[in-house]
Amino acid sequence: ETGVTQSPTHLIKTRGQQVTLRCSSQSGHNTVSWYQQALGQGPQFIFQYYREEENGRGNFPPRFSGLQFPNYSSELNVNALELDDSALYLCASSKGGGSGAYEQYFGPGTRLTVT
Amino acid sequence: AQSVTQPDIHITVSEGASLELRCNYSYGATPYLFWYVQSPGQGLQLLLKYFSGDTLVQGIKGFEAEFKRSQSSFNLRKPSVHWSDAAEYFCAVGATNTGNQFYFGTGTSLTVIP
Repeated sequence: ETGVTQSPTHLIKTRGQQVTLRCSSQSGHNTVSWYQQALGQGPQFIFQYYREEENGRGNFPPRFSGLQFPNYSSELNVNALELDDSALYLCASSKGGGSGAYEQYFGPGTRLTVT
Repeated sequence: AQSVTQPDIHITVSEGASLELRCNYSYGATPYLFWYVQSPGQGLQLLLKYFSGDTLVQGIKGFEAEFKRSQSSFNLRKPSVHWSDAAEYFCAVGATNTGNQFYFGTGTSLTVIP
């Protein structure tokens, strides 16, 4: 069974640029959630995708957007990067429907640094 | 509003000693409750979960947690800590009434002294 994978591992961007982070879900999972984890903080829920549709969103501005593909992999896009966007971005996958959607398995994360 | 509180930012225990990490939540219904562990530079690993039923749940690596509705708590315990348990521990709540949102506490950092 393949776990959740994320790419790239690390990324350095300049303020104002755009970035795309990628996530491949665990085999058999159809739901992907994205989280932002600032240094020394707990993860903050950005949004969730289920069957290619956004299925819940946290308190993040519209410049944070996402996609889910038919194979259930997902992208997180962030436009107009700000210094405060520097964080570890975590992707988690789960089996959608009922309580299964909450049993999430996390990838190793992408460390984004905005300068 | 839903929230998760982990009152202890940092805990130090001796190897072989028992451990209890505290978690309190604020939520209007019965939540789904989770504990995750994160090693430095790594993603989160699910230790255990509570959805319903028996309020004492067993997890991996010898951890257990008890759901106490009256105290809105879900504390994590381990009878004998190993040096490899040193990590950051996060309690989380799955909020079923607000569109599948997931709330994490700010974490407790565990140091294990040999």
